[in-house]
Amino acid sequence: QVQLQESGPGLVKPSQTLSLTCTVSGGSIIAYFWSWIRQPAGKGLEWIGHIYSSGNTNYNPSLKSRVTMSVDTSKDQFSLKLTSVTAADTAMYYCARVTMLRGFPQWYFDYWGQGTLVTVSS
Amino acid sequence: EIVLTQSPGTLSLSPGERATLSCRASQSVSTSYLAWYQQKPGQAPRLLIYGASGRATGIPDRFSGSGSGTDFTLTISRLEPEDFAVYYCQQYGSSQYTFGQGTKLEIK
Repeated sequence: QVQLQESGPGLVKPSQTLSLTCTVSGGSIIAYFWSWIRQPAGKGLEWIGHIYSSGNTNYNPSLKSRVTMSVDTSKDQFSLKLTSVTAADTAMYYCARVTMLRGFPQWYFDYWGQGTLVTVSS
Repeated sequence: EIVLTQSPGTLSLSPGERATLSCRASQSVSTSYLAWYQQKPGQAPRLLIYGASGRATGIPDRFSGSGSGTDFTLTISRLEPEDFAVYYCQQYGSSQYTFGQGTKLEIK
C-alpha cells in the first residue's frame, strides 16, 4: 500500500520560504508524477504543481514565480519550496500521486498524504 | 484556465435518500480527465470517480458518475451515514488541474 507523508515546519514567517518534503513508502517514486495541493481552512483545493520522477515540473501559473519542486529518487522523496510567503499561503498542504496506467498519466490523484498545516505568521 | 462550478453549495438530505451533485465546466473537459473526491473533516480527499464514470478501487457501487463536455454529475443512490462529507470535482486540461469549490452533503 502506497503511503505519502508530508514533513516540514508548521510555522513560517512572512516573506520567508516555505519548505516541505513528501516521503513515499510502499511503492516506487520512479515513473510517476507527484503533486502538491493546498487547502486553506474551510476552503477548496488548489493545485500547486507536479514533478515527474525525472525532475520535469509543471506549476500552477498563479504560483509559478514563487514555486520550485525537486525530487530525490534515492530517498523516495520530493519537495516543495514556496518563496515570499504571506498570510494567504496559510493552508493545509497535501502531497499526492498522479495515477499512471500502462505508463501514461491519468491526471487524477489516487494516493494522498494526510496533510501538514503551514501557518504564515510573525 | 477551466473553472469548475459545483452545485448546490450545500445539499441537505436524509440517509436512504438519493443525492445528485453537479459540476459544470467553463469549457469542454475531456471525459477521461474528470474526477470526483470525497473529503471528511480532518482527512485528505479520497478518490471516488475517475474518467467521469469509473469507480476507484474499494468505492461502493452506490456511487456513480456521469456526464460529458461541460456537465458532469455524481450520484449517490442511497445515502449511508458515512457519505455525509464534502465532494469535489477535478479536471485536468491545458497542463493544469482545477477543482470545483465543493458541495457539502449534510444530514437533514
